[in-house]
Amino acid sequence: QSVLTQPPSASGTFGQSVTIYCSGVSSRVGSDKVNWYQQVPGTAPKLLIYSNIKRPSGVPDRFSGSKSGSSASLAISGLQSDDEADYYCAAWDDSLTGLWVFGGGTKLTV
Amino acid sequence: QVHWVQSGAEMKKPGSSFKVSCKTSGDSFSRHGIAWVRQAPGQGLEYMGGIVPSYDVANYAQKFQGRVTMTADKSTKTVYMDLRRVTSEDTAVYYCVRTVEDDLGAFYFDYWGQGTRVTVSS
Repeated sequence: QSVLTQPPSASGTFGQSVTIYCSGVSSRVGSDKVNWYQQVPGTAPKLLIYSNIKRPSGVPDRFSGSKSGSSASLAISGLQSDDEADYYCAAWDDSLTGLWVFGGGTKLTV
Repeated sequence: QVHWVQSGAEMKKPGSSFKVSCKTSGDSFSRHGIAWVRQAPGQGLEYMGGIVPSYDVANYAQKFQGRVTMTADKSTKTVYMDLRRVTSEDTAVYYCVRTVEDDLGAFYFDYWGQGTRVTVSS
């Protein structure tokens, strides 16, 4: 049972934008940083965003993250067919013995 | 270039055990933590625990405590995840994952192994 909640699905049109939300983020220091991963079916997940807003080198600036209160979001602009994948948010939760928790994932259809 | 190699797919009987290996490369073993994350068929990602090889300290998610052991072999830069008393619910792809910390103390998984498929079936 995820303590981070994501919508199971999202969709967008080629070239348009879409935002995926992740709710239930802690406000406690250390547990308030959300990471986002992209998983194309049949492959290992890939880091997209870390520490709420930071983008690793190699990730296009079409992907951006933000956080407000107990909700984080991943925005994707200029949707491409390659963006069709599952997206997961994750955060460290030191209130649980589960340590790292993932959202349930959002399947994006383009 | 990071290149880790996980052990191959396994078929196990309920009640048995399995051990997945993850051979790391470069300085990953000495500088970072290594986590294990699994994904059941058609399901999401689930964190199992992690180990800091340089300190040989492991922490496990409560769900797996008592059933999982994560170890590290410094001589071969390989980490292992051993899961015991398996059931069909342990059928999943198991990933070893590098945990890194940025200069502001944020942690994240920046590299994922290719995954090892384990099927538990009678």
